[in-house]
Amino acid sequence: KQEVTQIPAALSVPEGENLVLNCSFTDSAIYNLQWFRQDPGKGLTSLLLIQSSQREQTSGRLNASLDKSSGRSTLYIAASQPGDSATYLCAVSRIGNTGKLIFGQGTTLQVKP
Amino acid sequence: NAGVTQTPKFQVLKTGQSMTLQCAQDMNHEYMSWYRQDPGMGLRLIHYSVGAGITDQGEVPNGYNVSRSTTEDFPLRLLSAAPSQTSVYFCASSYRSVKGDTEAFFGQGTRLTVV
Repeated sequence: KQEVTQIPAALSVPEGENLVLNCSFTDSAIYNLQWFRQDPGKGLTSLLLIQSSQREQTSGRLNASLDKSSGRSTLYIAASQPGDSATYLCAVSRIGNTGKLIFGQGTTLQVKP
Repeated sequence: NAGVTQTPKFQVLKTGQSMTLQCAQDMNHEYMSWYRQDPGMGLRLIHYSVGAGITDQGEVPNGYNVSRSTTEDFPLRLLSAAPSQTSVYFCASSYRSVKGDTEAFFGQGTRLTVV
């Protein structure tokens, strides 16, 4: 059974710091991986999707990598800002079925001004 | 663009009542799913659909029914509400392009309380 773990559960950093969020999964078979952001009381917003054949994706200050051999993904946030404060969730899905996501429990990030 | 629309946003039910949570998407996505989010449990898949007329169970399907008669709509029915179904419910949609799977789009959620 696929299990997804995110460490740490919570993180507090000063503004401007570069930071890394971690996601690990137990089944390294052919999966896609997505990173989401969730603000309090809101829905999930997709940040980056790494398809199984890819190793990383970049969007602005965000960079996500995928290492299937070790069952790990990292989300790198450069030059963090208070507006980055949110909960970040990673989720995996089998190729051809993005309707069936398996989520980690998330990392709650606070960026202090 | 409306994206994924969920109604209602908030609902209070009495134990034993039934209701339907609505989900509609206007992006012509073939995949649609329902998740529930609970403190300490994260998001868990209830039911999903890979196209009109095709549904399947997820991790926590008991107490819920779904059907998908159109591409746009994927309602979630609570047959007889129980306090254990108090949760925040999210609907999501996605599709498979020629380049591969796409990102999932989520609705804003329905916060359900069963008393």
